[in-house]
Amino acid sequence: GAGVSQSPSNKVTEKGKDVELRCDPISGHTALYWYRQSLGQGLEFLIYFQGNSAPDKSGLPSDRFSAERTGGSVSTLTIQRTQQEDSAVYLCASSDGLAGSYEQYFGPGTRLTVT
Amino acid sequence: AQKVTQAQTEISVVEKEDVTLDCVYETRDTTYYLFWYKQPPSGELVFLIRRNSFDEQNEISGRYSWNFQKSTSSFNFTITASQVVDSAVYFCALSEVISKLIFGQGTTLQVKP
Repeated sequence: GAGVSQSPSNKVTEKGKDVELRCDPISGHTALYWYRQSLGQGLEFLIYFQGNSAPDKSGLPSDRFSAERTGGSVSTLTIQRTQQEDSAVYLCASSDGLAGSYEQYFGPGTRLTVT
Repeated sequence: AQKVTQAQTEISVVEKEDVTLDCVYETRDTTYYLFWYKQPPSGELVFLIRRNSFDEQNEISGRYSWNFQKSTSSFNFTITASQVVDSAVYFCALSEVISKLIFGQGTTLQVKP
């Protein structure tokens, strides 16, 4: 079956512009996560969605970051007024069952470069 | 607070050597889950194993084995007879129920032919 897919695979944007990153989780997975991987910070949690519950946004680094998950499936991570420190690989993952209890399957990531 | 420490930043071995990747974790919960992921040069994180806090049995899968010891809060990963294809960054991670993954900083393993 299909794994987690993310688009675009690469995104170059100018400082100050907004970007949207998309994630298609594995069909039927109820939990969806966003992480960020950068050289200086390793793998950082950003946000997760579990079914119809309110998302856990505790990892979002600033109010310029937001995410939504429509219809319990596709998710979009939006970064407004991008800054150079936002440059990183943004990873999406999904899992079946209670968030945290089951293995997460990761997508290939979106490499964001802010110039 | 949750924390995962992978003290080995980089390890270099010659093919066919055995290698152990260390992972030490901190959590106050009695129910938690431990994971290992592999990130090859292609970049995609690949799930290797999940362990819950109530199951301390060691596990072997082919050349891979995992040693979980609650007494020392460690979840170490051993590759036996390493191969060049094992070269990757390996991440240990921790989660509590209904929570996100907390990753260690990763160990870069280089296996030379």
